Amino acid sequence: GQQVMQIPQYQHVQEGEDFTTYCNSSTTLSNIQWYKQRPGGHPVFLIQLVKSGEVKKQKRLTFQFGEAKKNSSLHITATQTTDVGTYFCAAPEYGNKLVFGAGTILRVKS
Amino acid sequence: DTAVSQTPKYLVTQMGNDKSIKCEQNLGHDTMYWYKQDSKKFLKIMFSYNNKELIINETVPNRFSPKSPDKAHLNLHINSLELGDSAVYFCASSRLGGAGTEAFFGQGTRLTVV
Repeated sequence: GQQVMQIPQYQHVQEGEDFTTYCNSSTTLSNIQWYKQRPGGHPVFLIQLVKSGEVKKQKRLTFQFGEAKKNSSLHITATQTTDVGTYFCAAPEYGNKLVFGAGTILRVKS
Repeated sequence: DTAVSQTPKYLVTQMGNDKSIKCEQNLGHDTMYWYKQDSKKFLKIMFSYNNKELIINETVPNRFSPKSPDKAHLNLHINSLELGDSAVYFCASSRLGGAGTEAFFGQGTRLTVV
């Protein structure tokens, strides 16, 4: 089945530094979603990308979908302590199965 | 109003016991899921239901039996609990299934088997 590979597994940054997490698939994706899970919390939907080459922004967060729709990235500019958590990408498989990447755990040192 | 609610939030039990986790969504969604999150935060799909019908059953031991009495509820019953079942279990729902819109997650049930 389809697998979505996500890197890095962990990232420690100093507050104010930028952060990026990447997802790659060997197959073309119909869409890709991003979720954030705060420590002790549950995954919360951030955004969905559908179009080839799509770029969307949410304040300091920038999401990109590759031209071939096989990769995606989430970039956070000037991280803050409120950004800590685990960021997941997720993509549909077989229409009714949402497969998650392994997640990137972000820690921010103040 | 909680969109996806699951109970209990914490569950500590002994090996060999049988336990259930309940999940309800008030969003009118057609699709519901159970995910297992291990200590490394990996989210693995276990089951997917669409309008009360089982759509996906991953390679989950048959000690795990989901039940959907109606499309708003998806409960998970686990027989003969083992130490390796310790994890956080998340219920989720979505409108159009995986290919459609976002998934809404419950708060999670932290299961500890001792």
